[in-house]
Amino acid sequence: QQQVKQSPQSLIVQKGGIPIINCAYENTAFDYFPWYQQFPGKGPALLIAIRPDVSEKKEGRFTISFNKSAKQFSLHIMDSQPGDSATYFCAASLATGGGNKLTFGTGTQLKVEL
Amino acid sequence: GAGVSQSPSNKVTEKGKDVELRCDPISGHTALYWYRQRLGQGLEFLIYFQGNSAPDKSGLPSDRFSAERTGESVSTLTIQRTQQEDSAVYLCASSPPGGQPQHFGDGTRLSIL
Repeated sequence: QQQVKQSPQSLIVQKGGIPIINCAYENTAFDYFPWYQQFPGKGPALLIAIRPDVSEKKEGRFTISFNKSAKQFSLHIMDSQPGDSATYFCAASLATGGGNKLTFGTGTQLKVEL
Repeated sequence: GAGVSQSPSNKVTEKGKDVELRCDPISGHTALYWYRQRLGQGLEFLIYFQGNSAPDKSGLPSDRFSAERTGESVSTLTIQRTQQEDSAVYLCASSPPGGQPQHFGDGTRLSIL
């Protein structure tokens, strides 16, 4: 059972564009939603995270939008740069009774072209 | 400061052999997690250690997989009688008390011939 569904699988944007990656979850008990960035040969690195008591969070060029009623959240990358080309993963975790283990989406390969 | 360290970075072995993967968490991090990442896929949870509590082994795919952690230090993931489907990148993460955020190492890329 895939508890976190991520789309699109891949995405190509021009430099300066705003790629948007979407995730949907099933378990309403999830209470922490991070986004990770992964470069080839490297481990995932935390970009930004949100808890369900807020609808939006911004950190630099990265914004998470969260819709609790729709059980969806998305990542927006403002003014995208070629250096943002990487694979992005959304995830969700359950603190109470879940031990904070992360359930990941299947990833989105982003390419930012000049 | 030092991040999560994993060794070896690459491991190639023959089917049927046992392998041992090592993870050094960030100092002071009480929680440690192992995940598996198959080629082109997301990460799958394997096992979780929190302090001296019993580990959460709910993600281990078979009894060929086991892991140990001594206190709040190094952890080893052991795969016995390896199979080709075990080929993947094995990632370790640690987190401070409270559980988040999880910081990942660069993984061990395991290839079973």
